Amino acid sequence: GENVEQHPSTLSVQEGDSAVIKCTYSDSASNYFPWYKQELGKRPQLIIDIRSNVGEKKDQRIAVTLNKTAKHFSLHITETQPEDSAVYFCAASKGGSNYKLTFGKGTLLTVNP
Amino acid sequence: DADVTQTPRNRITKTGKRIMLECSQTKGHDRMYWYRQDPGLGLRLIYYSFDVKDINKGEISDGYSVSRQAQAKFSLSLESAIPNQTALYFCATSDLHDPGGSGYTFGSGTRLTVV
Repeated sequence: GENVEQHPSTLSVQEGDSAVIKCTYSDSASNYFPWYKQELGKRPQLIIDIRSNVGEKKDQRIAVTLNKTAKHFSLHITETQPEDSAVYFCAASKGGSNYKLTFGKGTLLTVNP
Repeated sequence: DADVTQTPRNRITKTGKRIMLECSQTKGHDRMYWYRQDPGLGLRLIYYSFDVKDINKGEISDGYSVSRQAQAKFSLSLESAIPNQTALYFCATSDLHDPGGSGYTFGSGTRLTVV
């Protein structure tokens, strides 16, 4: 089955800096790659996603890039703010956004004021 | 608001006891999933169901069973709870068609402790 590796497991940045989280996947049939943000004590929430026919997608301060050849994708957060502090999960699916997801192990991002 | 509700929110149970975690949704979604979250291990799929008559094992189904009582209800059972099943459990739903590409909707989670 699919295997998703996520790095780093923890990331600490200063407010205003950029943060990058990277994921690799094993199944070349995967075609949908979402990112979820989980604040402390809350449920995961979808923040951005990308499909295999697109190389990059941006939404305000967050962007995701996908390299299908290398089977890796990354989350980029610019101008980080303290409210960006959370655990971020990448995931992969080969059936689109409504199919079962395989998640990475998560990255704890801390943005220091 | 349409949502995904999990009960109970917190539960402490003893080793060997049978326990059921319940999930109900008002989103009208066809597909439902059970994941468990452990620190440093992310979210791992236990079981999933694409409709009432469809039940599938995920990557860590041993020690668990499920029941899809209706489109809106999907229950997870631990037949004989053991301490390493202590975890945060999430139910999630997704729409078969997902026209808006909104992906999963997660419940608020059930924190289970087995002592």
